[in-house]
Amino acid sequence: DQQVKQNSPSLSVQEGRISILNCDYTNSMFDYFLWYKKYPAEGPTFLISISSIKDKNEDGRFTVFLNKSAKHLSLHIVPSQPGDSAVYFCAASSGTYKYIFGTGTRLKVLA
Amino acid sequence: GAGVSQTPSNKVTEKGKYVELRCDPISGHTALYWYRQSLGQGPEFLIYFQGTGAADDSGLPNDRFFAVRPEGSVSTLKIQRTERGDSAVYLCASSFVNTGVNEQFFGPGTRLTVL
Repeated sequence: DQQVKQNSPSLSVQEGRISILNCDYTNSMFDYFLWYKKYPAEGPTFLISISSIKDKNEDGRFTVFLNKSAKHLSLHIVPSQPGDSAVYFCAASSGTYKYIFGTGTRLKVLA
Repeated sequence: GAGVSQTPSNKVTEKGKYVELRCDPISGHTALYWYRQSLGQGPEFLIYFQGTGAADDSGLPNDRFFAVRPEGSVSTLKIQRTERGDSAVYLCASSFVNTGVNEQFFGPGTRLTVL
């Protein structure tokens, strides 16, 4: 039973345009959400997070939106750059150390 | 500064053999985690250490898997009688604190292939 779902395995975007990566979850107890980015042969690196008390968190080109009623979050990257090409994982936690990860979305930013 | 390191980066073994995977966390991090990432999947939690003790080993798939952290720093994940289904990337992560939610820093992983 996949509690965190990333239904788009891949996404291609032109450089300079917006990238939108989506994530859905089923467990209403989740109250903290994170996005990790992963390059080949490297471990995941933390990108941005959001607590369930907020509906938006922004850090430079990256913004995460949380819609609790829909159990949905999204990561927006504006403008997209070729160096953003990577696999992006959504993760959720219910206030503990245990992260539940989605299956990832491979983003390709085309120059 | 040094991040989380894992050795070896790649391990190929035969079915039935025993393997050990090592993780060196970031200095000063008290919490350490092991995850397993199978092909096409996200990382899956295996075990969490706070200091020397395994605070939560609920993600270990069966008793062939065992992990230790004897001095509260380096950890070793041990897999006995390996099976082909154990093939995956094993990721280690560490963090400063063990309470609440905190950012986990991941190592590059060990790719285990069981032939």
